[in-house]
Amino acid sequence: DGGITQSPKYLFRKEGQNVTLSCEQNLNHDAMYWYRQDPGQGLRLIYYSQIVNDFQKGDIAEGYSVSREKKESFPLTVTSAQKNPTAFYLCASTSEGYGYTFGSGTRLTVV
Amino acid sequence: AQSVTQLGSHVSVSEGALVLLRCNYSSSVPPYLFWYVQYPNQGLQLLLKYTTGATLVKGINGFEAEFKKSETSFHLTKPSAHMSDAAEYFCAVTPTGANNLFFGTGTRLTVIP
Repeated sequence: DGGITQSPKYLFRKEGQNVTLSCEQNLNHDAMYWYRQDPGQGLRLIYYSQIVNDFQKGDIAEGYSVSREKKESFPLTVTSAQKNPTAFYLCASTSEGYGYTFGSGTRLTVV
Repeated sequence: AQSVTQLGSHVSVSEGALVLLRCNYSSSVPPYLFWYVQYPNQGLQLLLKYTTGATLVKGINGFEAEFKKSETSFHLTKPSAHMSDAAEYFCAVTPTGANNLFFGTGTRLTVIP
């Protein structure tokens, strides 16, 4: 079945470390997105990519980086510059404006 | 510009009672509208969507929503709440043919036994 796979489901980061969250889709979707979700809050857009080798900053891009070398993959790196990275991270993809398909999320915790 | 307003960050209903979650949108062009549901520690799952055609849209789990252009609304309803409906619900809008979705801030639904 087609879908989006996020890994790992849980991730722990030490202070000063960079960590990378994986997002892979086999839906042949052109556009992919990363969102951050904090307790009791909505979704905040970090980065998005409409096409391979191109991506744009969302509302809260500081402290994060992405790449889009393949259509299927859109990894997110949480850098040490992100001072409050503990959150739930969601990846999504879409094609032709018919809504997003979401992954199951990665919960990142700073230890 | 597109935006979504969900009235009420928390809604409580009794089991068996009507569920009504409100969503109003603004869009400079005809919109596509969506409702998503999120259970704890999971991603968002599409409940239903309106793109074109019939304005009353039926979705999964007995939910439905009606697109009312004159009221710029897309409220979500379910005639009889079930305990398993307890979750967070997000309304979203995108301009026709565009990719990026604009989300509301979500409504947490609690079902009281």
